[in-house]
Amino acid sequence: DSGVTQTPKHLITATGQRVTLRCSPRSGDLSVYWYQQSLDQGLQFLIQYYNGEERAKGNILERFSAQQFPDLHSELNLSSLELGDSALYFCASSVYRDRADEQFFGPGTRLTVL
Amino acid sequence: SQQGEEDPQALSIQEGENATMNCSYKTSINNLQWYRQNSGRGLVHLILIRSNEREKHSGRLRVTLDTSKKSSSLLITASRAADTASYFCATDYGSYIPTFGRGTSLIVHP
Repeated sequence: DSGVTQTPKHLITATGQRVTLRCSPRSGDLSVYWYQQSLDQGLQFLIQYYNGEERAKGNILERFSAQQFPDLHSELNLSSLELGDSALYFCASSVYRDRADEQFFGPGTRLTVL
Repeated sequence: SQQGEEDPQALSIQEGENATMNCSYKTSINNLQWYRQNSGRGLVHLILIRSNEREKHSGRLRVTLDTSKKSSSLLITASRAADTASYFCATDYGSYIPTFGRGTSLIVHP
């Protein structure tokens, strides 16, 4: 158990819909990272928050947004969903802001868009 | 793309054998990490090696880094069925965000 929790575990929704994925980092970790894992793209970095502020952005679509709240939990919002958005979404946490050292991954949310 | 590339894509061995997987990358790095992912689960950090290090050990794991060849290898000695998983290298090119490769799928037959 990494100490990182993600909800829900599974999500099935239709094209055009909007969903919210939630992540609680490990106790004491200020950084939260979001990743998308699909068969064709591999594990892609989406966005990083550190102590409530956006710190780095990766291959995140404009239809996707995220935020980190004062209690450090984070939410990833996916809107106008397309079939290609079906993937595993992971959040990871670490103590670091500017070091790519050990990250602790949550169990993931499997999103299926029908 | 700057992501590291693992080789082989898939590896099938018998319990007790050693498993070696490689990662090649394109430009200089700050560090390189190896992660394991059991089917459909979150990644688990195995080991980190910094650019000024050549070899690191952790239990049955041995990682080497050759910055002149821009490659790293992960050796798992005396493999067990429980080592069956996908293994990813993640490189830090200075952005402080690890870039993950596509992984090597390892199957260890009991």
